[in-house]
Amino acid sequence: GQNIDQPTEMTATEGAIVQINCTYQTSGFNGLFWYQQHAGEAPTFLSYNVLDGLEEKGRFSSFLSRSKGYSYLLLKELQMKDSASYLCAVRDRPNDYKLSFGAGTTVTVRA
Amino acid sequence: DGGITQSPKYLFRKEGQNVTLSCEQNLNHDAMYWYRQDPGQGLRLIYYSQIVNDFQKGDIAEGYSVSREKKESFPLTVTSAQKNPTAFYLCASSPDSYSNQPQHFGDGTRLSIL
Repeated sequence: GQNIDQPTEMTATEGAIVQINCTYQTSGFNGLFWYQQHAGEAPTFLSYNVLDGLEEKGRFSSFLSRSKGYSYLLLKELQMKDSASYLCAVRDRPNDYKLSFGAGTTVTVRA
Repeated sequence: DGGITQSPKYLFRKEGQNVTLSCEQNLNHDAMYWYRQDPGQGLRLIYYSQIVNDFQKGDIAEGYSVSREKKESFPLTVTSAQKNPTAFYLCASSPDSYSNQPQHFGDGTRLSIL
């Protein structure tokens, strides 16, 4: 089974940087996904990490440390539209079909 | 444009009634999934299907049923045996179950009890 932990809420100012942490425990690790979900809408894919290190995509970056069971999503130059829930999801090798999701982190961006 | 279409957007169920949520995709994806989302909780897998005419139970399959008669369609029936059906239901698909390709989600159906 999976234990995936994320902070429940975070607040930041427009133009600032926010880092959302995700820790997980798996019996076998085969990739970690980050999704963004606006209230009442579909989750949309942000990033994928399977090897250690940093993946950068514009204002968003994601980092993975497999030995520590740790990932973070970094949001830079925050905009009001970034106010959303951010979901961390882990794929566990013995059940590759399955993504186990954390409860999500609600980020509120203030002017 | 390719995507996943869920209908209806809102659905109300009476006591003892079965209801069916529709999910259609035109992405030519082999794998499809149903999740349930409750406030303060992560998405939980109800059922998934890796290929037509095959499906497997997820973590919370009790009180639900599915079919996969066509590649494009994966309807979910919430039966009267599901005692707490009020939730946001999300359908997803991916090219297959094993690659690093992300799952794509529909816009969801919000189910409530009358």
